[in-house]
Amino acid sequence: AQKITQTQPGMFVQEKEAVTLDCTYDTSDPSYGLFWYKQPSSGEMIFLIYQGSYDQQNATEGRYSLNFQKARKSANLVISASQLGDSAMYFCAMRGVTRGGYSTLTFGKGTMLLVSP
Amino acid sequence: KAGVTQTPRYLIKTRGQQVTLSCSPISGHRSVSWYQQTPGQGLQFLFEYFSETQRNKGNFPGRFSGRQFSNSRSEMNVSTLELGDSALYLCASDSGGGEVGTEAFFGQGTRLTVV
Repeated sequence: AQKITQTQPGMFVQEKEAVTLDCTYDTSDPSYGLFWYKQPSSGEMIFLIYQGSYDQQNATEGRYSLNFQKARKSANLVISASQLGDSAMYFCAMRGVTRGGYSTLTFGKGTMLLVSP
Repeated sequence: KAGVTQTPRYLIKTRGQQVTLSCSPISGHRSVSWYQQTPGQGLQFLFEYFSETQRNKGNFPGRFSGRQFSNSRSEMNVSTLELGDSALYLCASDSGGGEVGTEAFFGQGTRLTVV
């Protein structure tokens, strides 16, 4: 079974500062993928960044980077230079392999990020 | 290209009724997954359809069902609605390859309120 844990229900950050959102995971799958999604109040889940379990380097996408520490089973999202539009719910998710050989997404409970001017 | 489209966006139903939600995936995507999102339980996987067949199923009662059509559009149905079924229902589509790196694209969801 897979499990994603996000221990920060809410985070506050000032505009232009960097913020780290924590994510730890548990899986027995040898191969898995880790994703971060952003959910604004409109409800749509927006893909931010992906890290494969065998990737040697940490993933980066613009202002987003993923601090992947495989031995610690953590995949923290770092947002640099926060903007007001970053205020949203953030979800860490993992895709592993089911018994049927196909993959499904498991989500954490999410972290609400509020960016203040 | 057009994103994932879910209809309707909002629904209010009475306990005991049934409801059908619709999801049109991104063109070319063959897999459609459904999730229930509530404040208490977070995002929970309902089921996944691929090529008109249910490929994966979450831990939900039989009142929750779905289907997929030949054009990959999917519907989910909830019968005998309960107050606890009030939630945001999200649909996601992907290529269906099943690899761990497969990115899922989500719709804006259908917000169901059961009164």
